[in-house]
Amino acid sequence: GAGVSQSPSNKVTEKGKDVELRCDPISGHTALYWYRQSLGQGLEFLIYFQGNSAPDKSGLPSDRFSAERTGGSVSTLTIQRTQQEDSAVYLCASSPTRGRNQPQHFGDGTRLSIL
Amino acid sequence: KNQVEQSPQSLIILEGKNCTLQCNYTVSPFSNLRWYKQDTGRGPVSLTIMTFSENTKSNGRYTATLDADTKQSSLHITASQLSDSASYICVVSPEYGNKLVFGAGTILRVKS
Repeated sequence: GAGVSQSPSNKVTEKGKDVELRCDPISGHTALYWYRQSLGQGLEFLIYFQGNSAPDKSGLPSDRFSAERTGGSVSTLTIQRTQQEDSAVYLCASSPTRGRNQPQHFGDGTRLSIL
Repeated sequence: KNQVEQSPQSLIILEGKNCTLQCNYTVSPFSNLRWYKQDTGRGPVSLTIMTFSENTKSNGRYTATLDADTKQSSLHITASQLSDSASYICVVSPEYGNKLVFGAGTILRVKS
């Protein structure tokens, strides 16, 4: 596939459970971003990976949220002890280089619902 | 505080008509301003990217303008089509840091 791939597309889980969301960026893209989109709100930055540099975690809302990027490619976003306010669409994006004027290519997101 | 505000929140137009969406921002200094189209249930797709020195950029029937002095941008859609029905998101990239600032979007519905 040529685009950013995210899985699962939908996830329903009970409050208190842990969830893992996966992102496969476009091959060769060195930059990877995670965002959260709540209903009626603008996208909220969560975390940014660039090559082998330390990630920018400044957007993670609490220590229940963490993310990894293995081998500079696939990334997983983990939410521990989920709360109802974590319900949202989680979007992943990648871009080819570090350049500020590069477009970000988004996946279709994971819609997370916490019961 | 860095903010991006879009208007209107939603808009309904007839197929074939033109429309203009507005974006006001307070992000300063900024590196670029972007417009994205997001179809329901899909991720955003880039329409235009303008640096602070650019005034206008076109992509087919979409034309974005930027006035860095008044901190305003607009997205003009010409000869609208049913497939233009989507949310249009204005995004500003600050000069420093990695956090893009997203507007809440304008929901456009084109009806026949």
